[in-house]
Amino acid sequence: QVQLQQSGPGLVKPSQTLSLTCAISGDSVSSNSAAWNWIRQSPSRGLEWLGRTYYRSEWYSDYAVSVKSRITINPDTSKDRFSLQLNSVTPEDTAVYYCARDNWNYSNGFDYWGQGTLVTVSS
Amino acid sequence: SYELSQPPSVSVSPGQTASITCSGDKLGKKSAFWYQQRPGQSPVLVIYQDTKRPSGIPERFSGSNSGNTATLTISGTQAMDEADYYCQAWDSSTVVFGGGTKLTVL
Repeated sequence: QVQLQQSGPGLVKPSQTLSLTCAISGDSVSSNSAAWNWIRQSPSRGLEWLGRTYYRSEWYSDYAVSVKSRITINPDTSKDRFSLQLNSVTPEDTAVYYCARDNWNYSNGFDYWGQGTLVTVSS
Repeated sequence: SYELSQPPSVSVSPGQTASITCSGDKLGKKSAFWYQQRPGQSPVLVIYQDTKRPSGIPERFSGSNSGNTATLTISGTQAMDEADYYCQAWDSSTVVFGGGTKLTVL
């Protein structure tokens, strides 16, 4: 059974960097059949995919155009986890942030999700 | 950029069939996915690759996708099916979600 456990601060000041981590159990961040995603949800923007990282003989990442200039998603193979960094945040980045696995066995559907972390951007 | 449109709300009586649509340009040429989200919980995948159900998802959930519209159908709707439902597709290497549909069972 795959589990994704999120951690990170719930409050970030404007212009600073939002950092979250997602710890994986029951799978590996280096899996050749999965990718590791960050998705956020807010009342104004609904569900919004931010990006993913995955390993296919080498590491790749894909990012949403809306955040491409500010986002980094990194794998940590030593601890089987991956992280999100979003720079220069504004109140518009306030949302519940989820990590999720997309699985080749489900045609890259998101079959496991973290518990969600409410991140508020405020001074 | 690619967009998916869903009706904001759908109502259904218990035991009846609920249909939730998702519209996008040539959506039938992509794979459609559906997620159920109950209040305060993370989304759950209920349909993938247009018509397939992950293990553990009841048979009353089914899907179709043709032309510009994907449809999630819930047969014999139960009170526990009341939730928000989101469609999703891949566009190149990025993900698009629909705006979500609130299903009310009354």
